[in-house]
Amino acid sequence: AQSVTQLGSHVSVSEGALVLLRCNYSSSVPPYLFWYVQYPNQGLQLLLKYTSAATLVKGINGFEAEFKKSETSFHLTKPSAHMSDAAEYFCAVSEGSYKLIFGSGTRLLVRP
Amino acid sequence: DAGVTQSPTHLIKTRGQQVTLRCSPKSGHDTVSWYQQALGQGPQFIFQYYEEEERQRGNFPDRFSGHQFPNYSSELNVNALLLGDSALYLCASSFSPGQVVSEYFGPGTRLTVT
Repeated sequence: AQSVTQLGSHVSVSEGALVLLRCNYSSSVPPYLFWYVQYPNQGLQLLLKYTSAATLVKGINGFEAEFKKSETSFHLTKPSAHMSDAAEYFCAVSEGSYKLIFGSGTRLLVRP
Repeated sequence: DAGVTQSPTHLIKTRGQQVTLRCSPKSGHDTVSWYQQALGQGPQFIFQYYEEEERQRGNFPDRFSGHQFPNYSSELNVNALLLGDSALYLCASSFSPGQVVSEYFGPGTRLTVT
């Protein structure tokens, strides 16, 4: 069965510092992987997705993620945090079954 | 181009009542999925509708039912509401028959059951 584990329910960084949000997945077949962002009182916005092409995926707002099969990981990074990046981030997996399995989320706090 | 829209934005119901939530998909999309997001948790898949039929269902009781209309809009119905049904209900749309899920989410309906 598919599952997603996001390490750290809260991550705090200083403005301008590296952002690293961790995601590990479990899947019996090559997965499709996604990162979504959720701002307060809003729905989910797709940041980026991995669909078995390039292992390094670039998304919107300067975010990128690298698919590492050997580590079953899909960590999200951004070189320099901005105050506007403060939000909840969700990693999700799909085996092409048309539904998404989400992790429990990581709240990113950005200190000025 | 309007994205996914949902109504109402907020809703307060009493235990035992029934509720209907509505969703209009993004233009050009024909598939609608519903997710429940409890406070502090990630969204959980309820079900998906395509061609007016339920295509896939998550681990939710029969109290949760849905419908898709010919214009691709959808409704989520929940009967016999429980306190635990309080959550943000998200609608997502996509274009089938793509294998890769790439869903666009609406802003959600916040349901409070008292």
